[in-house]
Amino acid sequence: GDSVTQMEGPVTLSEEAFLTINCTYTATGYPSLFWYVQYPGEGLQLLLKATKADDKGSNKGFEATYRKETTSFHLEKGSVQVSDSAVYFCARINSGNTPLVFGKGTRLSVIA
Amino acid sequence: NAGVTQTPKFRVLKTGQSMTLLCAQDMNHEYMYWYRQDPGMGLRLIHYSVGEGTTAKGEVPDGYNVSRLKKQNFLLGLESAAPSQTSVYFCASQKFRDTQYFGPGTRLTVL
Repeated sequence: GDSVTQMEGPVTLSEEAFLTINCTYTATGYPSLFWYVQYPGEGLQLLLKATKADDKGSNKGFEATYRKETTSFHLEKGSVQVSDSAVYFCARINSGNTPLVFGKGTRLSVIA
Repeated sequence: NAGVTQTPKFRVLKTGQSMTLLCAQDMNHEYMYWYRQDPGMGLRLIHYSVGEGTTAKGEVPDGYNVSRLKKQNFLLGLESAAPSQTSVYFCASQKFRDTQYFGPGTRLTVL
C-alpha cells in the first residue's frame, strides 16, 4: 500500500549547518507530496508541497524536489537556525478519497 | 478566518468517563480527520470523513466514535475512557488532494 519512509532522528546540528532529511515514498499512483513542521507544543503546519514530478517546493529557506525516478522528496536547507528546531513530517496523498499518509517524523535540534 | 479550532484544549478524565472533542473549520473543506499523537511518536489516524454525514475508520479506531452532522464540525467521542487513550488529539481539515490544516490540539489525560 501507500507509505512514506523518512530518516529516523533525532538530528542534531550546529547553527548554519546544512540540513538534509531524507524521504521516500511508494510509487503507487501520482501522489502529491508534502513536508509539514511541528514546533513544540503546536499542531502541524504545512512547510512546502509539490504536486507533480520535478516540481520544487520551497518556503522559509527549505526546499524539496519531487523526484519520480528515485521516488524521493528530500528536505534541504542550506543554513539552519535555532528556530528551525522542530519535528518534520513527510507526507503523500493520492487521488480519490484516501487519507494523507505521514512518515513517522524526524526531530531536528539546532544548537547555537 | 479562524481556520481549524479544537475544544477543549486540555482535559483530565477518570477511567470510564466519557467525553466529546469538538473540531470546527471555517474553510468549507470536505475532508476532516482526527489523529492522536503519543509522546515522541508520529501521528496515527483515528477516524476521518470525506463529507457531511460520512465517516470512515482509520488506523486506530477502537474506543472512539465520530460524527459529522454538519460540514464544518467533526466530533470525536470517547464512551469509556482508558489510560491508554492519554494522548494529544489533533483535528485537521482539507480540500480534495490538497494541504491539510491542523488545529492546535487537545491534551487529554486519563487517570
